[in-house]
Amino acid sequence: QVQLVQSGAEVMEPGASVKISCKASGYTFADYYIHWVRQAPGHVLEWLGYMRSSSGSARNVEKFQGRVTMTRDTSTGTAYMELTGLTSEDAAVYYCAREKPEGYNFDSWGQGTLVSVSS
Amino acid sequence: EIVLTQSPGTLSLSLGERATLSCRASQSLGSTSLAWYQQKPGQAPRLLIYGASSRATGIPDRFSGSGSGTDFTLTISRVEPEDFAVYYCQQYAGSQYIFGQGTKLQIK
Repeated sequence: QVQLVQSGAEVMEPGASVKISCKASGYTFADYYIHWVRQAPGHVLEWLGYMRSSSGSARNVEKFQGRVTMTRDTSTGTAYMELTGLTSEDAAVYYCAREKPEGYNFDSWGQGTLVSVSS
Repeated sequence: EIVLTQSPGTLSLSLGERATLSCRASQSLGSTSLAWYQQKPGQAPRLLIYGASSRATGIPDRFSGSGSGTDFTLTISRVEPEDFAVYYCQQYAGSQYIFGQGTKLQIK
C-alpha cells in the first residue's frame, strides 16, 4: 500500500535549519509530485510548496522564498524539505503529501514531523 | 488572493443526523480542483472528496460533495461516531494550493 514515512520530531534553536525526510513506498516515486504542508498548533493547514519527483524542479510559496529547499533522492524514493532561519513562528507539524500530476489534491499523507523551536 | 471561508466554524450534531458543511471561495473557481479532507486529533488529513464530488478510495458513501463556482458543500448523510473531526476544504487556484480554516464537527 502507498506509504509516506517521515523522519522524527526535531527540537531546534532559533536561527537554525531543519531538514525533514519523507520516504515513499508502494508506488512509483517519479509518477507523483511531493508537497509540503505545515500546521502550527491550533492553526489551519498551510501549503509550503511542491516538487516534481521526476525532475526535481520545485516551487515554493513566495512567503518562504529563499528559506525552503526541496530535494529528492530517486534511488531511495525519498523527498526532503529543508527550512532555514527558524523562528518561533515555524514551530509546527510538517507533512509531506503526494499529488497525482494535475490532480490538484493530496491523496496520501505522511504521518507528520513535529518541529519545535526553542532556545 | 483567493480565500476559502468555511462555515460553520463548529457544528454540533447527534449520531445519525445529517451534517452540511460549507466552503465559499472569494472568487469563482473551477470545480475540478476542490477537495475535502478529514483530520482527527494527532493524525494527518485524509482525502475524502476530490473534483468537488468524487469520493476518494475507501470513503463511505455517506460522504458526498457538491457545488460549483464559489459555493461548495460536504454532506454526511448520517453522522457516525468516527466522523467527529475537523474538515477542511482545499482548492488549487492561481498556482497556489489553498486551505479553508476548517469546520469542527463535534458530538452534541
